Amino acid sequence: GAGVSQSPSNKVTEKGKDVELRCDPISGHTALYWYRQRLGQGLEFLIYFQGNSAPDKSGLPSDRFSAERTGESVSTLTIQRTQQEDSAVYLCASSLDLVFRDRDYEQYFGPGTRLTVT
Amino acid sequence: RKEVEQDPGPFNVPEGATVAFNCTYSNSASQSFFWYRQDCRKEPKLLMSVYSSGNEDGRFTAQLNRASQYISLLIRDSKLSDSATYLCVVRSGGYNKLIFGAGTRLAVHP
Repeated sequence: GAGVSQSPSNKVTEKGKDVELRCDPISGHTALYWYRQRLGQGLEFLIYFQGNSAPDKSGLPSDRFSAERTGESVSTLTIQRTQQEDSAVYLCASSLDLVFRDRDYEQYFGPGTRLTVT
Repeated sequence: RKEVEQDPGPFNVPEGATVAFNCTYSNSASQSFFWYRQDCRKEPKLLMSVYSSGNEDGRFTAQLNRASQYISLLIRDSKLSDSATYLCVVRSGGYNKLIFGAGTRLAVHP
């Protein structure tokens, strides 16, 4: 079946501009996650959506970052007034997140959006 | 202290070698454990879940030691294609989000 898709794959933007990144999770997956990965660094959790629950925004680095999700489908991550330190790969992942089996928490990642702020 | 700690490596091994990675986690209430693999400039991909009884998938064996709060991954008969960064991942009790370690780099050479 179709995996997680993200768009655009690459985005170059000027400092100060807003950008919007999109994620389409695997159909039927109720949980959706956004991560950031700077070059040579580990994954940094940003935000987590689970069904109709309030999102866990504990990882968002500043109020310039926000994300939305429509039901259990598409999510958009918006970065306002981009800064050079925002340059990174932004990864989206989805999972079933049921409570019955460990494997339901397995996350599947999209290919990421490589953001470069000049 | 990080919630999930891994030796960053790199581990440089010849083809055919056996190599083992360990990972420690700080939250004793952690419930689910995974190993992911990430190739250079690619997204992480699930390698295997780690079950309490230990599990094996071909050349890969994962073990969980809850008492000592560590997880291990053993790779037998290493291939060049095993070269990647291996991420240890933990789900802590009461939370659905996964905590990723920073990864251990493996380089397999001819």
